Amino acid sequence: NAGVTQTPKFQVLKTGQSMTLQCAQDMNHEYMSWYRQDPGMGLRLIHYSVGAGITDQGEVPNGYNVSRSTTEDFPLRLLSAAPSQTSVYFCASSQRQEEQPQHFGDGTRLSIL
Amino acid sequence: AQSVAQPEDQVNVAEGNPLTVKCTYSVSGNPYLFWYVQYPNRGLQFLLKYITGDNLVKGSYGFEAEFNKSQTSFHLKKPSALVSDSALYFCAVMRRASWGKLQFGAGTQVVVTP
Repeated sequence: NAGVTQTPKFQVLKTGQSMTLQCAQDMNHEYMSWYRQDPGMGLRLIHYSVGAGITDQGEVPNGYNVSRSTTEDFPLRLLSAAPSQTSVYFCASSQRQEEQPQHFGDGTRLSIL
Repeated sequence: AQSVAQPEDQVNVAEGNPLTVKCTYSVSGNPYLFWYVQYPNRGLQFLLKYITGDNLVKGSYGFEAEFNKSQTSFHLKKPSALVSDSALYFCAVMRRASWGKLQFGAGTQVVVTP
């Protein structure tokens, strides 16, 4: 099993550009989520999905879109990149039960110039 | 108001000494509590969780955590630290019936010196 796979690992964008961060999991997990990690702030939830076709906003959703067409994939789209979106982005997945721990990918390091 | 507080940015400990990483929370009800560890350039790895029951929870790599309801704390402990325990540790809280909505503390960097 590969677990949670994120691509790309690194990306540099110019302000205003758009891009999609990919996330795939092979554990048949119902729940998937996106976080951003910034120094001194821990991880903050951007968007999450409780199953295919169902998504909802987290703590910091502005500037990001998501969709969940399959159980395996949960891409995160930056519509018009801004320097404030420079961060490390993590995708996570977990089993349906709410107390189950989340499995994290290794992250995408994104710089917006 | 921050829901999860890790009051120490960094904890320094000598190898072989006890390690404690502090976490307090201000979430109503009986939340689920988690500890995760992050090594450089990697994602977070689950260490342990508190759901209900015994206040002392045992987890991976010899770590344990003590839940204290009256003090709303969930401190991570290890009796004898290793140099390989040097990493960034995160406490996280999830309200019941808020599936997947983890709230993280800011993290505590642990440095274990030989």
